[in-house]
Amino acid sequence: QIHLVQSGAEVKKPGASVKVSCRASGYIFTTSGISWVRQAPGQGLEWMGLIRVYNGNTNYAQKFQGRVTITTDTSTSTAYMELRSLTSDDTAVYYCVRDRYGLPLDYWGQGTLVTVSS
Amino acid sequence: DIQMTQSPSTLSASVGDTVTITCRASQSISPWLAWYQQKPGKAPNVLIYKTSSLESGVPSRFSGSGSGTEFTLTISSLQPDDFATYYCQQYKTLSTFGQGTKVEIK
Repeated sequence: QIHLVQSGAEVKKPGASVKVSCRASGYIFTTSGISWVRQAPGQGLEWMGLIRVYNGNTNYAQKFQGRVTITTDTSTSTAYMELRSLTSDDTAVYYCVRDRYGLPLDYWGQGTLVTVSS
Repeated sequence: DIQMTQSPSTLSASVGDTVTITCRASQSISPWLAWYQQKPGKAPNVLIYKTSSLESGVPSRFSGSGSGTEFTLTISSLQPDDFATYYCQQYKTLSTFGQGTKVEIK
């Protein structure tokens, strides 16, 4: 069975950074990508970026360019999303999701709530 | 980035109704359009991919159509389990979601 398990909830101060992890199991990690999607309270889904695990290449939504970094550790089948210069607008649930390049997003992590508050 | 405009934002309907949700893209994305259902507190689940392909295990009352920049999700004979929020997603160039449509009980 395929599972993506994310790290726990975080509380950060404005201006800080957060790094969320996502450990994949049940499939060969390097055969798919990992996208990150966030959802602010009561709001819609927002795609943030993608990493192609086999070569580490990344693409980011224009909105997050320069502020987000997605990486992987293939030895532990874990993806990471770091978001810097946090503001209250970054308070959201952050999801990792398997991205199969040209197919819809299928397996999602359980979500990680990041709260930014002074 | 490709922009996705979804309408309506809220839809009130009764069990047994047929409902339609529309999604418009800022440029042609055919056929790389998917639809997801999300329930409160849960991650989304894919219903339709490649405009009209039904994901395995999804009931046949869900259907998708469209081309170019305009796409629709139709739910025939709405069931109690279908009251949820629905999102379109383009995956022709990276990814973008529509704003969502909440289907609520009339």
